[in-house]
Amino acid sequence: EPEVTQTPSHQVTQMGQEVILRCVPISNHLYFYWYRQILGQKVEFLVSFYNNEISEKSEIFDDQFSVERPDGSNFTLKIRSTKLEDSAMYFCASTKDRGESPLHFGNGTRLTVT
Amino acid sequence: DQQVKQNSPSLSVQEGRISILNCDYTNSMFDYFLWYKKYPAEGPTFLISISSIKDKNEDGRFTVFLNKSAKHLSLHIVPSQPGDSAVYFCAANPFRISATNKLIFGTGTLLAVQP
Repeated sequence: EPEVTQTPSHQVTQMGQEVILRCVPISNHLYFYWYRQILGQKVEFLVSFYNNEISEKSEIFDDQFSVERPDGSNFTLKIRSTKLEDSAMYFCASTKDRGESPLHFGNGTRLTVT
Repeated sequence: DQQVKQNSPSLSVQEGRISILNCDYTNSMFDYFLWYKKYPAEGPTFLISISSIKDKNEDGRFTVFLNKSAKHLSLHIVPSQPGDSAVYFCAANPFRISATNKLIFGTGTLLAVQP
């Protein structure tokens, strides 16, 4: 069964550094998402992406965050200058359609900011 | 912002018995509800969903019930198996009022199935 893949599985970075989290969505999916889960908290929506542009973003997704689909397969999340509070599991997801179409998630990248 | 609530942080059930996981929501505009299972160090895995026009959806051992008037849904697993031990998340998809499938998750319920 096709799956969403994410790399790296764990990223450690120093505060103020830039990080790029990478995702390969399922190949025939058109909608792409980033979610995050801070330890002990809910899974939270960050951003959705369709047709090479951001469709929707949450309040968390401020100017420090950006997303890109640099080629036909990868989908990236960049955090420009990391803060301690960015430490979390970051999940990429994709769906074929909007509406009644379940999101398929990757296994996540654990980001640790020291 | 507790739009989707799972009030039981944990549940323990004997193998072979029924597991019932509950979820409440506050917004009547939610159209589509999903249950995800999550093992440690893995992403959420889609389990089963239900549209707001239905009150029940069944897939093998898993059945989801939706009570729109009470804004409540539940996931029944029968019979429960040790491999079902995981965190279960309820999620709502308000696609009628959202541009994309922006899921709103509950806090999760840790299910432990005892052999």
